[in-house]
Amino acid sequence: GQNIDQPTEMTATEGAIVQINCTYQTSGFNGLFWYQQHAGEAPTFLSYNVLDGLEEKGRFSSFLSRSKGYSYLLLKELQMKDSASYLCAVRDRAGGFKTIFGAGTRLFVKA
Amino acid sequence: GAVVSQHPSRVICKSGTSVKIECRSLDFQATTMFWYRQFPKQSLMLMATSNEGSKATYEQGVEKDKFLINHASLTLSTLTVTSAHPEDSSFYICSANIGTVGEKLFFGSGTQLSVL
Repeated sequence: GQNIDQPTEMTATEGAIVQINCTYQTSGFNGLFWYQQHAGEAPTFLSYNVLDGLEEKGRFSSFLSRSKGYSYLLLKELQMKDSASYLCAVRDRAGGFKTIFGAGTRLFVKA
Repeated sequence: GAVVSQHPSRVICKSGTSVKIECRSLDFQATTMFWYRQFPKQSLMLMATSNEGSKATYEQGVEKDKFLINHASLTLSTLTVTSAHPEDSSFYICSANIGTVGEKLFFGSGTQLSVL
């Protein structure tokens, strides 16, 4: 089976940098995704990692270490609109490439 | 990017009625679609994997007779919540991806089901 852990809530200040960690356990790892979700809306794709290392996309970066089963999402120059839930998700070959989501981290950005 | 259309966006129904939710891939063919359920302040829980032309694969703990999934074409999957009860009230969201390797999920806009 799969197990994905990430912090429940985080608070950060506008303009700052925040790192959201995610650890996972899966038998057939086939990629790790980060999604942003505002309440009542569908998730929005942020990043994808399948090889070790850092992927940078504007204010957002995501890191993966497959040997450690660890990833983080880094948000720079925080804006108030970044207040949302951030979902770590793992794609697994077992059972037909399904994507399993962690419980999500609710980020609160304060002025 | 690919577009997934989901209808209806909101349903309010009486206990005991059945509700059908449609999920369409508008500009691509989706041999596989995924149905998720999300309770308030919780993450997305995979309910089932919908495969075109074959039976859906349900996750452990999800009642097959309660949540009927039909994937009759490459662009349409439906989820029917049969004999809905208040505990079925939730946000239901479908998704699909293109290909099988490393593709991100494209999500529908979700359906908020409220059973009175």
